[in-house]
Amino acid sequence: GESVGLHLPTLSVQEGDNSIINCAYSNSASDYFIWYKQESGKGPQFIIDIRSNMDKRQGQRVTVLLNKTVKHLSLQIAATQPGDSAVYFCAEKENNAGNMLTFGGGTRLMVKP
Amino acid sequence: NAGVTQTPKFQVLKTGQSMTLQCAQDMNHNSMYWYRQDPGMGLRLIYYSASEGTTDKGEVPNGYNVSRLNKREFSLRLESAAPSQTSVYFCASSDFLDEQYFGPGTRLTVT
Repeated sequence: GESVGLHLPTLSVQEGDNSIINCAYSNSASDYFIWYKQESGKGPQFIIDIRSNMDKRQGQRVTVLLNKTVKHLSLQIAATQPGDSAVYFCAEKENNAGNMLTFGGGTRLMVKP
Repeated sequence: NAGVTQTPKFQVLKTGQSMTLQCAQDMNHNSMYWYRQDPGMGLRLIYYSASEGTTDKGEVPNGYNVSRLNKREFSLRLESAAPSQTSVYFCASSDFLDEQYFGPGTRLTVT
């Protein structure tokens, strides 16, 4: 079974509400950030990315915000739907580290109908 | 276009047994990666191959070996499996500096 300390933080939202998932990163040399969605039993799926020369990027129903001053990344999902229920991971890439990504621990999003 | 495929989907090994996890991509990507994911955690990089003919260690390489067989295929080998290697293994591929695309995973249990 799962070990203590490995339980994911969980965000529970009502269908139709907006969701905000947060991620703190520690490496000030990171210059590229990605959000992935992972549904149960599946591999991570790319949602949206942002480079360090930007502070906001929008996709379809999703927005990523980057605050380099406090090393914080957030994913906003508009009009959350049941199909958005999944675990969300942020990942960062350090400048001059090739294409090696470092993943955060993940947040579970639960959408209540 | 199947993307990234992995075989097998499930595997149970006894301690000390060996096996190879296979990964293939049909997106003509240069880079390929192997990660492991333990319960309730993010992915940790085991090994990666920036381009055909090269391989490098990631965060947790001990107990594993890899082979970049050609541009399409990247295999992960466990020479002597240990219970600590019970995990879900994901292969991924990417073009340089672009997002990584993941396979469906291999669920490995070592008893």
